[in-house]
Amino acid sequence: GQSLEQPSEVTAVEGAIVQINCTYQTSGFYGLSWYQQHDGGAPTFLSYNALDGLEETGRFSSFLSRSDSYGYLLLQELQMKDSASYFCAVNSDTNAGKSTFGDGTTLTVKP
Amino acid sequence: DTEVTQTPKHLVMGMTNKKSLKCEQHMGHRAMYWYKQKAKKPPELMFVYSYEKLSINESVPSRFSPECPNSSLLNLHLHALQPEDSALYLCASSQERGGAETQYFGPGTRLLVL
Repeated sequence: GQSLEQPSEVTAVEGAIVQINCTYQTSGFYGLSWYQQHDGGAPTFLSYNALDGLEETGRFSSFLSRSDSYGYLLLQELQMKDSASYFCAVNSDTNAGKSTFGDGTTLTVKP
Repeated sequence: DTEVTQTPKHLVMGMTNKKSLKCEQHMGHRAMYWYKQKAKKPPELMFVYSYEKLSINESVPSRFSPECPNSSLLNLHLHALQPEDSALYLCASSQERGGAETQYFGPGTRLLVL
């Protein structure tokens, strides 16, 4: 089977840096995705890592270590609008190409 | 155009009603998905269509019936639903059904079953 673990809640202040971790168990791993979802909205894609290392997209970066079955999403220069739920999702060949989502991390950014 | 559209945005239906949810994408994607999401929970996969053929059915009750009329459209027909089926129903699409595919989500239909 597959499983993902991420913290349920994280709180930080505006301007700070926050890291949301995700550990996973799967076989036939393809890659790890991150999605952002605001209350009442739909998930939006943030990043995808298939290889080890850091991918940077503006204020957001995502890291993957395949050997450790671990990844994280790094959010810099936090803004109030970053308050949302963040889901990691794993793709593998054992799940026929579908994404399995973690339970999500609720990020609250305070002034 | 990286947009997936869904109609209606909101739907209230009784347990004896029949209704349909619609999803459309014009990105040339060949895989389309239906997810169900309850509040404070991750999206749960229901169905996957690949090249207009149903490739994954996650043991969804038969009161949910998907249909893919063509490569741009995906419907979800609803009949005799239960109150516990109230949720946000999300449609998504991706280039292919495969391991490395980014999924683009529509805004969802918020369904309430009375």
